[in-house]
Amino acid sequence: DQQVKQNSPSLSVQEGRISILNCDYTNSMFDYFLWYKKYPAEGPTFLISISSIKDKNEDGRFTVFLNKSAKHLSLHIVPSQPGDSAVYFCAASPRWNAGNMLTFGGGTRLMVKP
Amino acid sequence: KAGVTQTPRYLIKTRGQQVTLSCSPISGHRSVSWYQQTPGQGLQFLFEYFSETQRNKGNFPGRFSGRQFSNSRSEMNVSTLELGDSALYLCASSLEGQGGSYEQYFGPGTRLTVT
Repeated sequence: DQQVKQNSPSLSVQEGRISILNCDYTNSMFDYFLWYKKYPAEGPTFLISISSIKDKNEDGRFTVFLNKSAKHLSLHIVPSQPGDSAVYFCAASPRWNAGNMLTFGGGTRLMVKP
Repeated sequence: KAGVTQTPRYLIKTRGQQVTLSCSPISGHRSVSWYQQTPGQGLQFLFEYFSETQRNKGNFPGRFSGRQFSNSRSEMNVSTLELGDSALYLCASSLEGQGGSYEQYFGPGTRLTVT
């Protein structure tokens, strides 16, 4: 049972445009969410996170939106750059869990075309 | 500040053998988590250590074990290797706060191939 799902395995965007990556979750105990970027043969790189007490968090070109009622979050990248081409993972963690235990989605491969 | 380091980066083992992987967290980070990445199952949580104690455990068989030392460095061990254990093993470290979860920073991983 996949508790965190990224339904789009890939996404292609033109340089300068907006990239929107989506993620859905089913476990209502999740209340902390993160996005990671991963290049081949490297570990995931932390991008941005959001707590369930917020519905939006912004960091430079990256904005994460959280819709708790729909159990949905999205990552917006504006403007997209060729260097953003990578696999993006969303991850979730329950706050009640005194520790760190992330559940990851399957990833979305983003390709930004020059 | 140095990032999370993992050794070795690549490893080839034979079915039935055992293997030990090492992880050094970012200085000051006391939580170390381990994940397995495979093409079929994606990124899956193995276990987390904090203050030399296993704090959380994922759904993996007992052949997978780990430990953490007083300097927060961690090792994971897989005994009686199976072909399906071939994967990228990732270690992540995190600051400890007032409960809840904080962003984890990942190392480059150890690529284990079981033949």
